[in-house]
Amino acid sequence: IRMTQSPSSFPASTGDRVTITCRASQGISSYLAWYQQKPGKAPNLLIYAASTLQSGVPSRFSGSGSGTDFTLTISCLQSEDFATYYCQQYSSYPLTFGGGTKVEIK
Amino acid sequence: EVQLVESGGGLVKPGGSLRLSCGASGFTFSSYSMNWVRQTPGRGLEWVSAISSNSGYIFYADSVKGRFTISRDNAKNSLYLQMNSLRAEDTAVYYCARDRTATHACDIWGQGTMVTVSS
Repeated sequence: IRMTQSPSSFPASTGDRVTITCRASQGISSYLAWYQQKPGKAPNLLIYAASTLQSGVPSRFSGSGSGTDFTLTISCLQSEDFATYYCQQYSSYPLTFGGGTKVEIK
Repeated sequence: EVQLVESGGGLVKPGGSLRLSCGASGFTFSSYSMNWVRQTPGRGLEWVSAISSNSGYIFYADSVKGRFTISRDNAKNSLYLQMNSLRAEDTAVYYCARDRTATHACDIWGQGTMVTVSS
């Protein structure tokens, strides 16, 4: 299953509302996760089951969608949110990731 | 503290072998499925292999099938990846990662270990 994210990069400012899109090449129900990764660090799970916030993740992060189209929204971008975000499907093996969206300072 | 720590990375020649290890602590390792995921600057994140809690199911990415072998020792709280017939395109940071309960999302990741395949 191919996962396609858009955009690949997103210039934004602190306080902005940011929406990242992820599309699956076939239906995956709600078997989708979102990760945040900062340079030199491992990915960090933000959301699973398309819309369930992982414990400890701030409520400004939210996810939606099912089937083939999904979104990750950051409601009010904070300085610590500048990072690369990846979606991942876990509907079937092989597990696959999107190409990533880098949220960078405008 | 829940933690995963990888080791065993390094520089190896094409065609060579390497064995990665991942030590787990702070949780009941034997209750969780585990994964290896790798990352390169050019190809982003790539899932490599998964193993269930009791080693009853094992999956591999097509890119490593027949060359890599995943295994675990629940008595030692350890996960392994035996990598044979290594190629330049296997060069990456390798992470071990835990499946979140009842999902195949990865909720705990190690810090990663670098594998470089070069002559």
